[in-house]
Amino acid sequence: GAGVSQSPSNKVTEKGKDVELRCDPISGHTALYWYRQSLGQGLEFLIYFQGNSAPDKSGLPSDRFSAERTGGSVSTLTIQRTQQEDSAVYLCASSLDRWMGANQPQHFGDGTRLSIL
Amino acid sequence: EDQVTQSPEALRLQEGESSSLNCSYTVSGLRGLFWYRQDPGKGPEFLFTLYSAGEEKEKERLKATLTKKESFLHITAPKPEDSATYLCAVGVFGNEKLTFGTGTRLTIIP
Repeated sequence: GAGVSQSPSNKVTEKGKDVELRCDPISGHTALYWYRQSLGQGLEFLIYFQGNSAPDKSGLPSDRFSAERTGGSVSTLTIQRTQQEDSAVYLCASSLDRWMGANQPQHFGDGTRLSIL
Repeated sequence: EDQVTQSPEALRLQEGESSSLNCSYTVSGLRGLFWYRQDPGKGPEFLFTLYSAGEEKEKERLKATLTKKESFLHITAPKPEDSATYLCAVGVFGNEKLTFGTGTRLTIIP
């Protein structure tokens, strides 16, 4: 596709349930990032993938959060045993290469709005 | 710890009234400063990357500048369609993530 695609666009679930959020990056982009945006707060980094490897998971807030990437393309962010504080917009971004070397900007999808009841 | 502070939080301007948005940063080794625009319900849209003090970039009515401590996004003769939240982010050496400010919500009144 032309841009980063995320699904679902909205997700409402009950506290304690598991959720899976999907990200399809721009074709050919090797780097993929997950961020979280809470009301009134800046975007918060969660995890970075280069290919299928995740060299930086430092932003994952707890062991309830995990992510994987397969085939160097699609990524899934999983939140287990959801809590109300997990409610936020989860944004995915991709870039052509590790921007440190190629200085490529991160391009964002429109996010998944997650609401925990 | 890397920090990014944007001001003002919100700005209302009349159409055609020029102004500037500020992004102050404290980082250990700036690799790049990024400006994004975000419309309600949408993801951030990339605008500019600045790498070194003194650098300037322009796009239509927007011009971004960079010093060693801050960046400005100047908007000249804005139109209502420029209304959005403008986000500033920094990247540092040895780190892939971006650290974002909380944004400036810009409203242009016709």
